[in-house]
Amino acid sequence: DAKTTQPPSMDCAEGRAANLPCNHSTISGNEYVYWYRQIHSQGPQYIIHGLKNNETNEMASLIITEDRKSSTLILPHATLRDTAVYYCIVRVLNQGGKLIFGQGTELSVKP
Amino acid sequence: GAVVSQHPSRVICKSGTSVKIECRSLDFQATTMFWYRQFPKQSLMLMATSNEGSKATYEQGVEKDKFLINHASLTLSTLTVTSAHPEDSSFYICGAKGGPYNEQFFGPGTRLTVL
Repeated sequence: DAKTTQPPSMDCAEGRAANLPCNHSTISGNEYVYWYRQIHSQGPQYIIHGLKNNETNEMASLIITEDRKSSTLILPHATLRDTAVYYCIVRVLNQGGKLIFGQGTELSVKP
Repeated sequence: GAVVSQHPSRVICKSGTSVKIECRSLDFQATTMFWYRQFPKQSLMLMATSNEGSKATYEQGVEKDKFLINHASLTLSTLTVTSAHPEDSSFYICGAKGGPYNEQFFGPGTRLTVL
């Protein structure tokens, strides 16, 4: 699976949009981009995934660049409960399914 | 999303004893379950992958005789830490995949402390 690079930490003001970047320059054509988050001392929570089109669900939006070498997870109106470590992972769909976690981005939402 | 539970949420044991952690998929059939370990301030590290009815596949460096994994049904997998030592103290998390889902869903984790 391709490797991803994320900033180690970010701050965001409560109520503002949080934009979390992820670089995956070696992504293959059949690899999807997945985002998970982990709130302190809990198991990871699935957020969203996509292949090349932008995706949106009730939690977030995922914007993938046209060349697919990077993506951005957008939390449109961050709340204090969004404070967590966010992991960007690329993997092939339906192939084993194992996830290799990098270091992620520690997002702190501040009042 | 799907619901995955783990039991116990926390366990403290003496060095040399064995500890069993259960992972259950509550509302879907998990054909594949994963076990991760997470040390403080670090990311999750995949330990092993198990498919229902098959032997688990362990990641490099993970001792299969120390970390026994059983995935006997489509809703239950267990991880047994045998002859636990203080360095096995960690946060153990299971993931489950299957049914209508392409995503992996995670349990809430089990905090193991070995004295």
